Amino acid sequence: QLQLQESGPGLVKPSETLSLTCTVSGDSISSDFYYWGWVRQPPGKGLEWIGSWHYSGSTYYNPSLKSRVSISGDTSKNQFSLKLISVTAADTAVYYCARIKDSSGWDGRRIDPWGQGTLVTVSS
Amino acid sequence: DIQMTQSPSSVSASVGDRVTITCRASQDISTWLIWYQQKPGKAPQPLIYAASHLQNGVPSRFSGSGSGTDFTLTIRGLQPEDFATYYCQQANSLPLTFGGGTKVETK
Repeated sequence: QLQLQESGPGLVKPSETLSLTCTVSGDSISSDFYYWGWVRQPPGKGLEWIGSWHYSGSTYYNPSLKSRVSISGDTSKNQFSLKLISVTAADTAVYYCARIKDSSGWDGRRIDPWGQGTLVTVSS
Repeated sequence: DIQMTQSPSSVSASVGDRVTITCRASQDISTWLIWYQQKPGKAPQPLIYAASHLQNGVPSRFSGSGSGTDFTLTIRGLQPEDFATYYCQQANSLPLTFGGGTKVETK
């Protein structure tokens, strides 16, 4: 059964870098048909797609975050990671890692499954 | 970016009711529309993809319809486990964008 698990600090200081890792079990991140990405949700608010990474090296980022975000993968560890620089309180959110179907087929760009999420608070 | 607008933002309903949630896209997305259900403290779970295709394991009381810019999620015979927040997501183009959510609450 495919499972994703986020890990990383739950508290980050303003202006510093948020770093999270997602460990995948039950599937390989070296799949042609799937991207691996991040979605965040500020407390009590809606969902925001951050970006996606493909093992081929392709990456796509939300333009609203593009200047501050990077997503990379380590196929030897079956993990992928998120880095968000220069964080502010507005970056406080639950961060979910997820598998994202590529654009082909009826279920194109479906986000499934999701990790359980990890709350990252930006505060001094 | 494609903007997704959901309405209502919340709805009060009772077990057995029929609930309808709408989602409007700012431009034509054909049927590239996915619905998710999120329960408190949990990650969203997909319910419907391609506007009307039920995800495996999702009860048939859930249904989706629409194409172009206007979409609907309907729950027929609301069950206690259906009280949750529902989000639509456009899958037509990047960046992926979501509606603001509809909370289905107990009347």
